[in-house]
Amino acid sequence: QVQLQQWGAGMLKPSETLSLTCAVYGGSFSGYYWSWIRQPPGKGLEWIGEINHSGSTNYNPSLKSRVTISVDTSKKQFSLRLSSVTAADTAVYYCARGDGYYDNSGHYFWFDPWGQGTLVTVSS
Amino acid sequence: QSVLTQPPSVSGAPGQRVTISCTGSSSNIGAGYDVHWYQQLPGTAPKLLSYGNNNRPSGVPDRFSGSKSGTSGSLAITGLQAEDEADYYCQSYDSSLSGYVFGSGTKVTVL
Repeated sequence: QVQLQQWGAGMLKPSETLSLTCAVYGGSFSGYYWSWIRQPPGKGLEWIGEINHSGSTNYNPSLKSRVTISVDTSKKQFSLRLSSVTAADTAVYYCARGDGYYDNSGHYFWFDPWGQGTLVTVSS
Repeated sequence: QSVLTQPPSVSGAPGQRVTISCTGSSSNIGAGYDVHWYQQLPGTAPKLLSYGNNNRPSGVPDRFSGSKSGTSGSLAITGLQAEDEADYYCQSYDSSLSGYVFGSGTKVTVL
């Protein structure tokens, strides 16, 4: 059974860079896309971006200028960096495996399983 | 504002049937992209409930069933139980945004 374990700094000051890492235990790492998703307190879910084992990425256009997702296949880990954070970036951040398929028209992926979540608070 | 629209809340008595709608547009659900559903219990990560419009992962009770028609998806919960109290989110892909989109979320209350 695949499990995702994530970690990273939980408190940041405005303008700093958010950094989180997610490790994949059990199951295959290649053949899937790996995503980051966030949820502001009391609000809904927002997809941030995804990466596959070969490093191919897709980002949410609204965050693209500040987001970098990278992968370390040897460790079965992928990471998120979000630069120039503000209070609006305060949220629980989740890593998740994207499963499904894609074709020329887009991705037919769902997310399962998810990491346990990391609350990142941005405050001066 | 979420790309996919869900009712903020639905409620029902134990044993009843409730449905949650997920309304999209011609660039997501209406374009043929699948609808998936998640259950989020308080303080926990979302859990996959239905994928590919109407498929249940192993371990998910058959009381939960997804469907899709036109530009909308729907999740039905039959035989409502107290443990079903949670937030529910739909998800799809949007070709205009070139990314995944989630619904606004629906809180299910068992009366």
